[in-house]
Amino acid sequence: NAGVMQNPRHLVRRRGQEARLRCSPMKGHSHVYWYRQLPEEGLKFMVYLQKENIIDESGMPKERFSAEFPKEGPSILRIQQVVRGDSAAYFCASSPKEQNTEAFFGQGTRLTVV
Amino acid sequence: GESVGLHLPTLSVQEGDNSIINCAYSNSASDYFIWYKQESGKGPQFIIDIRSNMDKRQGQRVTVLLNKTVKHLSLQIAATQPGDSAVYFCADAGDSWGKLQFGAGTQVVVTP
Repeated sequence: NAGVMQNPRHLVRRRGQEARLRCSPMKGHSHVYWYRQLPEEGLKFMVYLQKENIIDESGMPKERFSAEFPKEGPSILRIQQVVRGDSAAYFCASSPKEQNTEAFFGQGTRLTVV
Repeated sequence: GESVGLHLPTLSVQEGDNSIINCAYSNSASDYFIWYKQESGKGPQFIIDIRSNMDKRQGQRVTVLLNKTVKHLSLQIAATQPGDSAVYFCADAGDSWGKLQFGAGTQVVVTP
C-alpha cells in the first residue's frame, strides 16, 4: 500500500507563472488536507477536501490559490501568478475518514519562485 | 488567536541520554494532541498521540505527558539515538483531527 504521493517533489516557477501541485492519497483514503510550511516554521493548515467537495478552506489565501479533489485522479493545489512569498514546502495528508486518529503525510512539494 | 508553541527551538542531546521536548497550547477546548517527527526533506511522521482524557501515554521509547491544568504537553524520548535527530512538532487537532494546528518545532541534535 503506497503512502501519500506528492509530485513534483521540487518545482521552480518564475514570478507570474502558475504552479500545480498534485497529491494522491493513500488507497482507500477519501479525505485530503493541504498544509504549507515556510522555512524553519511549523505547518499551516490550508484546506480540507473530500471527493468533489471542499470542506474547510479557512487557511487558503483569498486570491490566487485554489484546490480541488475530483472524483477521479489526484487532488490539485493550484497557485496562479506566483510570487516569491509563495516559496515554501507544501504538504498533503490523507485519512480514511473524518476525525481519523492519524493523518498520513506525503513527502511534500518544495516550490521555489524565482 | 489560538496557537500551539514550543519552549526550546534547539535541543542538543548526547547519544544514550533521554530527551524532553516541551510544548504549550492555548486552546483549552483542545481534546487531541499529536507529536510529529520531521527529518530533513521529508514529510511529518506520526510519533504518538494523546487525548485530553489521558495524562500519559507510552509508545516505543517515547512517552507523551499532558498537563491540562497548565496547558502543557511534553515528549520524552528514552535512550536517544542518532536516528532521532530531527525537528519535532506538537500539533493540536482541536475539534477536527484533520485540521491540525502545529507549533514552530524543536530541532533535536544527537551528539555522539
